[in-house]
Amino acid sequence: DQQVKQNSPSLSVQEGRISILNCDYTNSMFDYFLWYKKYPAEGPTFLISISSIKDKNEDGRFTVFLNKSAKHLSLHIVPSQPGDSAVYFCAATSGSRLTFGEGTQLTVNP
Amino acid sequence: DTAVSQTPKYLVTQMGNDKSIKCEQNLGHDTMYWYKQDSKKFLKIMFSYNNKELIINETVPNRFSPKSPDKAHLNLHINSLELGDSAVYFCASSQAAGRGGYTFGSGTRLTVV
Repeated sequence: DQQVKQNSPSLSVQEGRISILNCDYTNSMFDYFLWYKKYPAEGPTFLISISSIKDKNEDGRFTVFLNKSAKHLSLHIVPSQPGDSAVYFCAATSGSRLTFGEGTQLTVNP
Repeated sequence: DTAVSQTPKYLVTQMGNDKSIKCEQNLGHDTMYWYKQDSKKFLKIMFSYNNKELIINETVPNRFSPKSPDKAHLNLHINSLELGDSAVYFCASSQAAGRGGYTFGSGTRLTVV
């Protein structure tokens, strides 16, 4: 029972363009959503988060959008850079538990 | 000065052996976790400790036993290792349980042969 889903295992974009990573969830009790970035042979690193009471949070090139009615969130990266190439995990919290999606491999081509 | 450090980074061992993975955080966080990333790349929580007390214990075999001697350490001991235990195990910590901002270690790749 995967409560957080990232249906695209991979995404490839050109440098300078926008990257949009999507995430869907099923548990309406989730109250906080996060994106993590992971390079090979390293642990995930926290990127950006959003509370369920908001619909948008922006931090530099990264913006997270939350659509609670659709139980959907997305991460926009603009402009994309080759250094952004990594696996991106969507995650959500309910109480003390952080649940991850299965990740999307983003490749930004020079 | 790594914030969350886990050792060893790689561990290759035979079926049936007992092994431990150690984790230490120097962030002053109250909560520590063990996550497992399997061959399908899912990151799934195994255990969570808050101030040395177990608060999350997912459905994992009894062969897995976490131990938290103090709030800066959370070790994972695995008895009678099986082939299916092969995975990458990540330790993490956070100040407030479930509020994000988790800091992860770099992972321990366990291979059972």
